[in-house]
Amino acid sequence: DAGVIQSPRHEVTEMGQEVTLRCKPISGHDYLFWYRQTMMRGLELLIYFNNNVPIDDSGMPEDRFSAKMPNASFSTLKIQPSEPRDSAVYFCASNRDRVGEQFFGPGTRLTVL
Amino acid sequence: RKEVEQDPGPFNVPEGATVAFNCTYSNSASQSFFWYRQDCRKEPKLLMSVYSSGNEDGRFTAQLNRASQYISLLIRDSKLSDSATYLCVVTGEYGNKLVFGAGTILRVKS
Repeated sequence: DAGVIQSPRHEVTEMGQEVTLRCKPISGHDYLFWYRQTMMRGLELLIYFNNNVPIDDSGMPEDRFSAKMPNASFSTLKIQPSEPRDSAVYFCASNRDRVGEQFFGPGTRLTVL
Repeated sequence: RKEVEQDPGPFNVPEGATVAFNCTYSNSASQSFFWYRQDCRKEPKLLMSVYSSGNEDGRFTAQLNRASQYISLLIRDSKLSDSATYLCVVTGEYGNKLVFGAGTILRVKS
């Protein structure tokens, strides 16, 4: 069974550009989470969805970040405009239970120049 | 105060050694506790859940002390392949999400 799929795996862009990260959760998982990991701040929860509905977006740093989940098998995290401080690894994770084991994708390593 | 605090290490130990990590958490209402493992440039993966009675999985033992609000992980007979970052994870303030510690780096050397 395929795990969580993320694309792209690496993204290098220039400040001011729009960035879209994509995630396909494990089939049958009702919860989807977006995290950001940096050396300084560790792993931070940005937003999570339940049955495609955003439940908690309190971790989204600012209005430049937005996330959608149009259906059970696809979610996007968009940054517009991107800034150098957005450089990080962005992970998507899914699970059946909000506080059970979470299965992480391989992450997208974002570099904003 | 951070919700979950860990000693970042690194812990440098020889093969075969026993090593222990501790983690403290601030939310006394937390109900679920875990240890995740993250290899360099990889995603985190669940190592084990932590139960009130303590639990063991092979060379790994996890303990929970609710009164003192700390969690421990003991690794016996360390292997080179145990080298990784170990993340302490608890449920957050309202029990509705997981909060990750910054991680403890373990390096096992031959």
